Amino acid sequence: QLQLQESGPGLVKPSETLSLSCTVSGAPISSSSYYWGWIRQPPGKGLEWIGTIYYSGSTNYNPSFKSRVTISVDPSKNQFSLKLISVTAADTAMYYCARVGDLVVVPPAIRFDPWGQGTLVTVSS
Amino acid sequence: DIQMTQSPSSLSASVGDRVTITCRASQDIRQYLNWYQQKSGKAPKLLIYDTSNLKTGVPSRFSGSGSGTEFIFTISSLQPEDIGTYYCQQYDDLPYTFGQGTKLEIK
Repeated sequence: QLQLQESGPGLVKPSETLSLSCTVSGAPISSSSYYWGWIRQPPGKGLEWIGTIYYSGSTNYNPSFKSRVTISVDPSKNQFSLKLISVTAADTAMYYCARVGDLVVVPPAIRFDPWGQGTLVTVSS
Repeated sequence: DIQMTQSPSSLSASVGDRVTITCRASQDIRQYLNWYQQKSGKAPKLLIYDTSNLKTGVPSRFSGSGSGTEFIFTISSLQPEDIGTYYCQQYDDLPYTFGQGTKLEIK
């Protein structure tokens, strides 16, 4: 059974870098059928897609994050990671990782399933 | 960006009621629309993909329809365990975007 688990600091200071990892279990991250992605949800608000990565390292990012975001993948650890630089209080949110797919169908489908349980990151001094 | 607008933002219904949520896209997204359910304190779960396809294991009281810019999510007979917030999500174009959510409560 595929499971995803986010990990990382729950508190980050303003202007510093938010770093999270997502460990995938139950399936290889190096599957040609899926992307892997990050979504966030500020407290009491809606969902915002951050970006996705393919096991080869190819990425797509939400332009709203401009050049602040980097997503990377480590197939040897079955993990992918999120880095968000220069954070502010507006980056306080629950951060979720998810499998993104299905890339086998034509045209490729982009659905987030399943999701990790999420990790709350607070930006505060 | 494609804007996704859900209505209503919240609704209260009785057990057994038929519930419908509308999701409107700011431009044609063909049938590239998914629906998620999020229960309090939990991660969202995919219910319906590509407008009308029920994910395996999801009760058949959930359904979806639509195309283009208007989409409908329906619960045919509301159950107590259906309380939560429902989100639509488009993937016709980057960036992938979600509706603002519809919070469903039991009367």
